[in-house]
Amino acid sequence: EAGVTQFPSHSVIEKGQTVTLRCDPISGHDNLYWYRRVMGKEIKFLLHFVKESKQDESGMPNNRFLAERTGGTYSTLKVQPAELEDSGVYFCASSQGLAGGEGKTQYFGPGTRLLVL
Amino acid sequence: AQTVTQSQPEMSVQEAETVTLSCTYDTSESNYYLFWYKQPPSRQMILVIRQEAYKQQNATENRFSVNFQKAAKSFSLKISDSQLGDTAMYFCAFMRVSGYALNFGKGTSLLVTP
Repeated sequence: EAGVTQFPSHSVIEKGQTVTLRCDPISGHDNLYWYRRVMGKEIKFLLHFVKESKQDESGMPNNRFLAERTGGTYSTLKVQPAELEDSGVYFCASSQGLAGGEGKTQYFGPGTRLLVL
Repeated sequence: AQTVTQSQPEMSVQEAETVTLSCTYDTSESNYYLFWYKQPPSRQMILVIRQEAYKQQNATENRFSVNFQKAAKSFSLKISDSQLGDTAMYFCAFMRVSGYALNFGKGTSLLVTP
């Protein structure tokens, strides 16, 4: 079974540019999450999709961030325009979403390392 | 809001020895999930172990076991017979039963030396 995949693995952009990150969840996982880790800080929740619907986007920093999950499969996270403080590692995770421990367990992708200069 | 604290930014252990990573959390919930994730250098973050708060028995997965002290809100991870491949960043995380977001600690960087 393929795990969660993310693309690109690294991205270096200049302030003001746009970057789009992609996440492919584990097949059959309706729940998809985005997290971010800024250097030296905790991994922070950004948002949660159930299929194509945004269930919780309380962690999104501001309106420069736009996440989509068309068709309930892969998801994209766009940052436009990027700022210096957006640098960090962006993780995607997916879960079955069923009740119980296993259903709630999230499986993570390798992350995208974003550097904004 | 739930907070998770990992008080050991870095730890080192020799191969074959045992090491314990600490994690404490703060919550008013009575039921929740706790997780330990491991991220080896330049590799994917993977689940090490999961504990459900309503289960009193400590979870174990091969060489990995937890000491879950609900009253003390403590969730430490014990790695027995440490191996070089255990070198990684270890993250403790909390999730409400009714929620989906994971609350992470800052992580503990573990180095296993020969």
